[in-house]
Amino acid sequence: DIQLTQSPASLSASLGDRVTLTCRASQSISRYLHWYQQRPGKAPKLLIFAASSLQSGVPSRFSGSYSGTDFTLTISSLQHEDFATYYCQQSYNTFYTFGQGTKLEIK
Amino acid sequence: EMQLLESGGGLVQPGGSLRLSCAASGFTFNNYAMNWVRQAPGKGLEWVSSSSANGGTTYYTDSVKGRFTISRDNRNNTLYLQMNSLRVEDTALYYCVKREPSGGWYYFDFWGQGTLVTVSS
Repeated sequence: DIQLTQSPASLSASLGDRVTLTCRASQSISRYLHWYQQRPGKAPKLLIFAASSLQSGVPSRFSGSYSGTDFTLTISSLQHEDFATYYCQQSYNTFYTFGQGTKLEIK
Repeated sequence: EMQLLESGGGLVQPGGSLRLSCAASGFTFNNYAMNWVRQAPGKGLEWVSSSSANGGTTYYTDSVKGRFTISRDNRNNTLYLQMNSLRVEDTALYYCVKREPSGGWYYFDFWGQGTLVTVSS
């Protein structure tokens, strides 16, 4: 199984901050890595697919990048609605796996 | 407007069975692979099962293999998850999720609101 390890598990930040969340894969998965946002009580929402492609309708302050097996999600200037939990997910094989999540909280 | 509406959740005793349904609308259901993803209370996301667009190919996470069966009715745009021999650890919110195949990247582009399954005596 492909393991995804997200760091940090939680992060406190302020409005307007730039934050970077990380997801590390246990093996090479090319760009088969996607990011989701989940607000409390809501279903997850796709933000970034194929490591760096912004889903339609998602604000441009969200961006994704990767190097080898390390993937990052960056939010350039935190807004109120960005405080949520973020998950990465791989689709390199059909036994899809998610990272354990990073909870982004207001400082 | 795209919609995925799950139903069928509820309280069941360990060893019992439930069948979840997901009614899809707003897109051509029989063109897309569909999935079930679950989330235990206060925990992260876990992929459970997937079905190819025609239902001919299915996959399961190891913990549900032999107990859960995914199926679909493409005439009625409905996805199912038959859950047998339920365990306490199957307690979760179950999401119906559409998989987008664009570019071959296979990501989950649309999620339902979920149906809650509680396994308890």
